[in-house]
Amino acid sequence: QVQLQESGPGLVRPSETLSLTCTVSGGSISSYYWSWIRQPAGKGLEWIGRIYTNGDTNYSPSLKSRVTMSVDTSKNQFSLKMNSVTAADTAVYYCARVLTYSYGWGYFDEWGQGTLVTVSS
Amino acid sequence: DIQMTQSPSSLSASVGDRVTITCRSSQSISNYLNWYQQTPGKAPKLLIYAASTLQSGVPSRFSGSGSGTDFTLTISSLQPEDFATYYCQQSHSHPGFGPGTKVDMK
Repeated sequence: QVQLQESGPGLVRPSETLSLTCTVSGGSISSYYWSWIRQPAGKGLEWIGRIYTNGDTNYSPSLKSRVTMSVDTSKNQFSLKMNSVTAADTAVYYCARVLTYSYGWGYFDEWGQGTLVTVSS
Repeated sequence: DIQMTQSPSSLSASVGDRVTITCRSSQSISNYLNWYQQTPGKAPKLLIYAASTLQSGVPSRFSGSGSGTDFTLTISSLQPEDFATYYCQQSHSHPGFGPGTKVDMK
């Protein structure tokens, strides 16, 4: 059973860079897409982007200018960096495994427990 | 961008009730529609993918149907652990989620 665990600072100052890492255990990170999804308190889910284990990335058009994802297969980890954060980026951030069928962009079958990131001075 | 809507936004039901949640997309997405259940403080849990395929381990009281722009999630007999918020998600293009439907106790 694959398990995902997010880690990173819970507090980020406005205008600075949010950095999170997702560690995958119980299985290999290879040959899958991996995603980041966030959820502001009391609100819905927002897809941030995905990365394949060869480093190929796709980002949400609304966040693309501020987001970078990377993967380290030797550590079974992938990461998210989001720059120029504001209070609007305060949310629970989830990492998730992506499974695809046909030509679609995939669904999320395994999730981390989520980590709250607060943007505040 | 493909916009997803869900109805109702919330509903009240009793244990044993049949519950139906509708999800609509702003353009045809074939069967690229997935459903999740989320309880407070927890990560979403995949219930159904490809509109109607039950994820392994999910009880058979959950079912999904639809294609194109209109989709339905049905819980045939609501159980206490089913009180939660349900989200649809399209995977035809950049993934997008519906706003959610909260199912609470009548």
